[in-house]
Amino acid sequence: DIQMTQSPSSVSASVGDRVTITCRASQGISYWLAWYQHKPGKAPKLLISAASKLQSGVPSRFSGSGSGTDFTLTISSLQPEDFATYYCQQANSFPWTFGQGTKVEIK
Amino acid sequence: EVELVESGGGLVQPGGSLRLSCAASGFTYSSYWMHWVRQAPGKGLVWVSRINSDGTSTSYADSVKGRFTISRGNAKNTLYLQMSSLRAEDTAVYYCARGFTSGLDYWGRGTLVTVSS
Repeated sequence: DIQMTQSPSSVSASVGDRVTITCRASQGISYWLAWYQHKPGKAPKLLISAASKLQSGVPSRFSGSGSGTDFTLTISSLQPEDFATYYCQQANSFPWTFGQGTKVEIK
Repeated sequence: EVELVESGGGLVQPGGSLRLSCAASGFTYSSYWMHWVRQAPGKGLVWVSRINSDGTSTSYADSVKGRFTISRGNAKNTLYLQMSSLRAEDTAVYYCARGFTSGLDYWGRGTLVTVSS
């Protein structure tokens, strides 16, 4: 199985800050990577697919990059509604696997 | 509008069985692969299983292989997860999600399964 490792596991940031989350795959997955936002009690929300494709309706302050084994999710200017847990997920091969999550907290 | 609504969760004893359902609406259900993902209390998301659009192909996480069975009823726009030989570590919120090539684009709000005596 492909292991996905996210860092950091948590980050404290202020509104307006730039936040970067990294995700590393244990083997090459080309660009088959998705990023999700999850808030407690809510359905997870797909933000980015194919490593860098922003989903419809997702604010442009979110961006994704990378290919192969190393990927990045960037929030360019953190907004109050962005405080949540973020997960990467590889879609290269089954079983699909998620990173352990990165909790973005208010500083 | 795409909507996925899970049901069937509850309290079950270790070794017991439970069947989850996911009612889909707002899209051509029979055209999409479907998935189950779970989240144990205080833990992260874990992919559980997937089924292709016509139900002829499935995949499972090793942790549930041989105990869980995914199926679908395209005439009823419904996804199922039959869970048997349940263990305490299966306690989680179970989400159904619509799949596409590189991710899961719509999710339900989940149903809680608690395995405890």
